[in-house]
Amino acid sequence: GAVVSQHPSWVICKSGTSVKIECRSLDFQATTMFWYRQFPKQSLMLMATSNEGSKATYEQGVEKDKFLINHASLTLSTLTVTSAHPEDSSFYICSATRGRPTGELFFGEGSRLTVL
Amino acid sequence: DAKTTQPTSMDCAEGRAANLPCNHSTISGNEYVYWYRQIHSQGPQYIIHGLKNNETNEMASLIITEDRKSSTLILPHATLRDTAVYYCIVRPTHTGNQFYFGTGTSLTVIP
Repeated sequence: GAVVSQHPSWVICKSGTSVKIECRSLDFQATTMFWYRQFPKQSLMLMATSNEGSKATYEQGVEKDKFLINHASLTLSTLTVTSAHPEDSSFYICSATRGRPTGELFFGEGSRLTVL
Repeated sequence: DAKTTQPTSMDCAEGRAANLPCNHSTISGNEYVYWYRQIHSQGPQYIIHGLKNNETNEMASLIITEDRKSSTLILPHATLRDTAVYYCIVRPTHTGNQFYFGTGTSLTVIP
């Protein structure tokens, strides 16, 4: 199956700093990438959809100026949590689709962010 | 925006078949049914998907009712490593459409 890789897998930062998480599709070109956030014992919540070369589309209630998404190539999307605060601590998961007609979604391993 | 309902939790004895139900009564004609699972602190793993016909792969079988309003994921011989949260998702076939996750079913395989 297709491989999606995230980096870093975990990160601890101080309140007020910015953190960048990378998401790469290793063996295919991803036409669309999605970013999710998951709090403990909760389901995945879609944050935004990004297409290569265009601005990301954010879900209602997600601050686009706080969660900056860049999809510069067909194999790389980045999520930057700006001015992170403790309430931003969460498990962030990216996913990508190859764009075939049935469009299975392939997920990264997730990145756990802890803001002190 | 999840369009599916699943039981919150289920138990299954090791070695027995695990049957996980999903209701999607408002499914549209162009929407597939996807199943994913998530083991604790990992990204979701694709299991199987289908449109109308029953599907089988090396991981599981997917049984979709004739009216497509519900489906069942079958793990034929559950092992302890199958303990996970299982998500049923409906999504249109054309690309770029989002996957919205519901609450899923927490399956516990008991020795």
